[in-house]
Amino acid sequence: RKEVEQDPGPFNVPEGATVAFNCTYSNSASQSFFWYRQDCRKEPKLLMSVYSSGNEDGRFTAQLNRASQYISLLIRDSKLSDSATYLCVVNSYNQGGKLIFGQGTELSVKP
Amino acid sequence: SAVISQKPSRDICQRGTSLTIQCQVDSQVTMMFWYRQQPGQSLTLIATANQGSEATYESGFVIDKFPISRPNLTFSTLTVSNMSPEDSSIYLCSVTGTEAFYNEQFFGPGTRLTVL
Repeated sequence: RKEVEQDPGPFNVPEGATVAFNCTYSNSASQSFFWYRQDCRKEPKLLMSVYSSGNEDGRFTAQLNRASQYISLLIRDSKLSDSATYLCVVNSYNQGGKLIFGQGTELSVKP
Repeated sequence: SAVISQKPSRDICQRGTSLTIQCQVDSQVTMMFWYRQQPGQSLTLIATANQGSEATYESGFVIDKFPISRPNLTFSTLTVSNMSPEDSSIYLCSVTGTEAFYNEQFFGPGTRLTVL
């Protein structure tokens, strides 16, 4: 089983749609959680950290469920510019704190 | 966040040669890391670059193949030695501002390496 697993993609949605990405992690000792965005042929960029209480940044909402070891990212009112690969990233103290990256979920927003 | 640059941005190399990739940060950072992203794959940590001491390598990566230097708090190099086509990847450096691993990491633009 992979340490971080994400929904397989690609997701193809029309502009204005709401789309949700799911991610599960296997290490219960994981402490920090992030969503990164990676555009084609570019470096990953931090989209948002995920906090236990859940957090929102504009059209983006992240949720964390520690009991189920589950993280989600909700994008409302999708824009063409949201098209990218979204990476679920987890950090665990008992692994020296290194970041573990999911395989990524590709999103394509169409006009 | 810090501004991170990498050189070269891309290169095409012959089998058996070595390439050194540079990572420069515009401010002092505590932690610097090197990752590899193979075609169609996600990122894998190669090693943590430690200032003034030997790098800490992840399982599957060794110093002879990927020697790393970090002479100060703003600069690091990764060398890919004795290259083979399997080394064709994007190599990325990243930084975090504090000693705690669990803080967010910020990535350089990457070096796209093709080995013929």
